[in-house]
Amino acid sequence: DTGVSQNPRHKITKRGQNVTFRCDPISEHNRLYWYRQTLGQGPEFLTYFQNEAQLEKSRLLSDRFSAERPKGSFSTLEIQRTEQGDSAMYLCASGSRDRETNEKLFFGSGTQLSVL
Amino acid sequence: AQRVTQPEKLLSVFKGAPVELKCNYSYSGSPELFWYVQYSRQRLQLLLRHISRESIKGFTADLNKGETSFHLKKPFAQEEDSAMYYCALSDLGNNDMRFGAGTRLTVKP
Repeated sequence: DTGVSQNPRHKITKRGQNVTFRCDPISEHNRLYWYRQTLGQGPEFLTYFQNEAQLEKSRLLSDRFSAERPKGSFSTLEIQRTEQGDSAMYLCASGSRDRETNEKLFFGSGTQLSVL
Repeated sequence: AQRVTQPEKLLSVFKGAPVELKCNYSYSGSPELFWYVQYSRQRLQLLLRHISRESIKGFTADLNKGETSFHLKKPFAQEEDSAMYYCALSDLGNNDMRFGAGTRLTVKP
């Protein structure tokens, strides 16, 4: 499968624990996005990388959230001291922009986080 | 701030009937509009974008800058069109893509 891969598919954790998710984008894509989606809502933008540089971060992202893309390939999203409100589907997407248009995004299957 | 509104959470039509999924946006820049679709047990995927002026699976969408709308239309709905549809907006100067809350389309036999 050459699409966007996310691991794990599901994560159940206790409140206060730290969790880390991984995203492997399509190899030729230099842009990588993290989104969060809760029931009944559309994907909500969290952060964006171009290669290894984190260029944009949503104001909604608290200090407990951190994302990295160390070599411009895979990315990790860490949530520290998880809260029940962090329970959501975390989606990763990758894309590459051409000269004239924004890219279309290719999404992974997501990581479903449940904080008990 | 850019915003995308999909006024209908649920839409149900019979097979063969026309369907229109509404999308309105607010943005002062140069928006690029997209429709993404998520079929049952599948990942979110691009359906079409306004700049391509394409028809995918019989769906079309026209960007109306005067009404700030990008409604998705299909003249004859099929059962396999049942899915969750998200309108999204981006801008050549921005790096994030904003999504609407989505409309669940059900096409009944």
